[in-house]
Order: sequence, then C-alpha cells, then structure tokens
Amino acid sequence: DTEVTQTPKHLVMGMTNKKSLKCEQHMGHRAMYWYKQKAKKPPELMFVYSYEKLSINESVPSRFSPECPNSSLLNLHLHALQPEDSALYLCASSQDAKDAYEQYFGPGTRLTVT
Amino acid sequence: DQQVKQNSPSLSVQEGRISILNCDYTNSMFDYFLWYKKYPAEGPTFLISISSIKDKNEDGRFTVFLNKSAKHLSLHIVPSQPGDSAVYFCARRGSTLGRLYFGRGTQLTVWP
Repeated sequence: DTEVTQTPKHLVMGMTNKKSLKCEQHMGHRAMYWYKQKAKKPPELMFVYSYEKLSINESVPSRFSPECPNSSLLNLHLHALQPEDSALYLCASSQDAKDAYEQYFGPGTRLTVT
Repeated sequence: DQQVKQNSPSLSVQEGRISILNCDYTNSMFDYFLWYKKYPAEGPTFLISISSIKDKNEDGRFTVFLNKSAKHLSLHIVPSQPGDSAVYFCARRGSTLGRLYFGRGTQLTVWP
C-alpha cells in the first residue's frame, strides 16, 4: 500500500464552522506533513510531524490546529476560517523527516470558506 | 526566499518528442533535488530525484540532469506522451528537518 488518503475530497464551510480534515497512510512512515496550495502556486508547508510530535509549525494561524493521534493518522482541525483560507490542503508522508527525502502526497481536500 | 525557480510557466511539445523542463536554484547548501508531477484535482506524485554527488539520474523515460556549476537542473522526458500533460514541480530539500522547497511549476502539454 503506497497510498496517502485524505477525507473529505471537498469541503465547504462557513466562517463560524468547525470542521476537520483527515489524512491516513499505512506505509509505516513516521513523518507526516500538511501543505496548503493555492491555484497556480506551489505547495506551501504548514506543519511537520515527526514520530507523532510536532516538529515544524510555519507560523500558521491558530485557527488551524493539527493533531497526530498515531503514526498513521493526521488531522487538521479548522475553526473560524477566513475566505482567503480557501485552497487545496495536501497531506504528505515520508519514511522519516531526517533521512528520507521523498514525500508522498494524498489527493488533497479542496476547501472553500464562505 | 525562492530557493528553486522554474522560469517557464508552460511548455508545449508534440507526442514522441523530448520534453525538457528546467529549474534553477540559488543556494549552494543543498544535497538533494526532486521532481513531482501534478494532475488537476490530485496531489503531487513523486517522479525522480537526484543527489548532489551525481550529475544524472535515469528512470525509464525520465532523466534528471544536474549542472552544479550553473546551479541548474533539468528533467528530460523522452518520448513524451499525452498522459505526461501535467504541472511539473522541482523541489529541493531544505536544511530544516523534513522541509522541501518547491518551484512554481511548469505546465507541460503534450499534443498528438
């Protein structure tokens, strides 16, 4: 199994809603990542988890809250988002954060904030 | 700080011909570069990578060349196929744990 899965595929939420994005991998990878991608732009790193501990937070606003319940799962909790947060949110994983360079991406969640 | 630059936003190539996608980098403190392909509504897919100890890495139709003196790498696809039509991102590994720096991408269109 070389797949990273993400749910939901699409999400529309209001600015007062609370929602969560989910990511799962069963490749035994110990590093997991959240990226945000706007149209015609490269993916921008948001968070890195290494061995279930948060190792990088790219100064992401607190309305985005990551969680890594175990080595296979990664969540992104969303609350009080703004319309400019509308984007494709990508999850990725790699064998580890230190020595493995190839990251494997999920299909993404297309988020629209109204 | 754009660590990698893809100066061509688009490239159009006829099927069967060679596609050459280019990427320049600005920082010499590197050791690893990667190429990803992205179809619409999908996540990026890892294609091929190259370490700074090599000048070339080949995998089937895909070859990546690294020119360290020019701080330039390129991805060659030969022969190009319509299914190769996608956005191609080059990326370099950052010094911080787990970080990848992506270029802005090049849209490749392969026409029959």
